[in-house]
Amino acid sequence: DAMVIQNPRYQVTQFGKPVTLSCSQTLNHNVMYWYQQKSSQAPKLLFHYYDKDFNNEADTPDNFQSRRPNTSFCFLDIRSPGLGDAAMYLCATSRGDSRYNEQFFGPGTRLTVL
Amino acid sequence: QKEVEQDPGPLSVPEGAIVSLNCTYSNSAFQYFMWYRQYSRKGPELLMYTYSSGNKEDGRFTAQVDKSSKYISLFIRDSQPSDSATYLCAMKSGNYGQNFVFGPGTRLSVLP
Repeated sequence: DAMVIQNPRYQVTQFGKPVTLSCSQTLNHNVMYWYQQKSSQAPKLLFHYYDKDFNNEADTPDNFQSRRPNTSFCFLDIRSPGLGDAAMYLCATSRGDSRYNEQFFGPGTRLTVL
Repeated sequence: QKEVEQDPGPLSVPEGAIVSLNCTYSNSAFQYFMWYRQYSRKGPELLMYTYSSGNKEDGRFTAQVDKSSKYISLFIRDSQPSDSATYLCAMKSGNYGQNFVFGPGTRLSVLP
């Protein structure tokens, strides 16, 4: 089945220690998104790629970076995680076609910062 | 005023009840409307997708959009304990932009 895959599902890191979260998709979608979701809150968009074009949200901290080496993969790098960065990180994809606007999510990576 | 408002609940109903979940929004440019179900510690799962105003039915789920009132609803018939989850509404404008705006979600518990 076509899907969005995130690894790892659970990540524990230490305060200030860089961490990379991974997302891959078999849907061949043009757009890939990274969201941060804290308990009982809406997913908060960090950034998205339309193909290779990177789009950063204005309030996304510089501590968060992203890479998309090819259509299938996208990475979220957190350079110096703080306690406030503990959250669920969700990767999502969409076709990016104005006629097809469904967005599909991966299972998420739950990040714990010690 | 937030762009998308949604009652966070929790909402508790007995098994078999009809559930009504709602979102209101302020941006009249939104044209695409989605409902997601999110189980605890899992990613959101797309349930329903609707373009512009009208109704859409899929099994026990019905999505309604009333653009004149800026109000969308999700109805769940014959609710089951397995429907217990958080339901998120999301919406998007029809322009080139790729940004989806989410409500905070309503937590639903269906009691056996």
